[in-house]
Amino acid sequence: EPEVTQTPSHQVTQMGQEVILRCVPISNHLYFYWYRQILGQKVEFLVSFYNNEISEKSEIFDDQFSVERPDGSNFTLKIRSTKLEDSAMYFCASSEVANSPLHFGNGTRLTVT
Amino acid sequence: GESVGLHLPTLSVQEGDNSIINCAYSNSASDYFIWYKQESGKGPQFIIDIRSNMDKRQGQRVTVLLNKTVKHLSLQIAATQPGDSAVYFCAEISGGYNKLIFGAGTRLAVHP
Repeated sequence: EPEVTQTPSHQVTQMGQEVILRCVPISNHLYFYWYRQILGQKVEFLVSFYNNEISEKSEIFDDQFSVERPDGSNFTLKIRSTKLEDSAMYFCASSEVANSPLHFGNGTRLTVT
Repeated sequence: GESVGLHLPTLSVQEGDNSIINCAYSNSASDYFIWYKQESGKGPQFIIDIRSNMDKRQGQRVTVLLNKTVKHLSLQIAATQPGDSAVYFCAEISGGYNKLIFGAGTRLAVHP
């Protein structure tokens, strides 16, 4: 069964550094998403991406965040200058069409020290 | 995807019993609902979905019930197994861009 893959599984970075989290969505899917989950909390929406542009973003997704689909298979989340409070699990997801299930990867655990 | 969930409500059941996990959703305009299962160290895994024009949908060992009047969703798991132990999230979608909003989650603990 096709799946969403994320790399790395764990990223440790120092405060102020830039990080790029990578995702390969399911190949025939058209919608892409990033979510995050702070330890012990629920999964929070960050951004959705469709037709090569951001379709919606949350208030968490400020100017420090950006997304990109650099080629036909990858979908990346960049955090320009990490803060301690950015430490969380980051999940990439994709869906085939609107109003269809999102399929999630197993996440990247980001630790900012 | 660890959800240590210090403040998560927990449902404890005996293996073989039926489990019912409840969820209240917030947006009366939501028209599509999904239940996800999250095991330790993994991302949310799709279980079952239901659209707002339905009030019940069945899958393998799982049933989702939707009550739009009181904005309530439930997940029933028949003959619960130890492998069902996980955190369960309901999620709702409203609007055209498939933005999925998760609820707070319930931890299901299955005891042999």
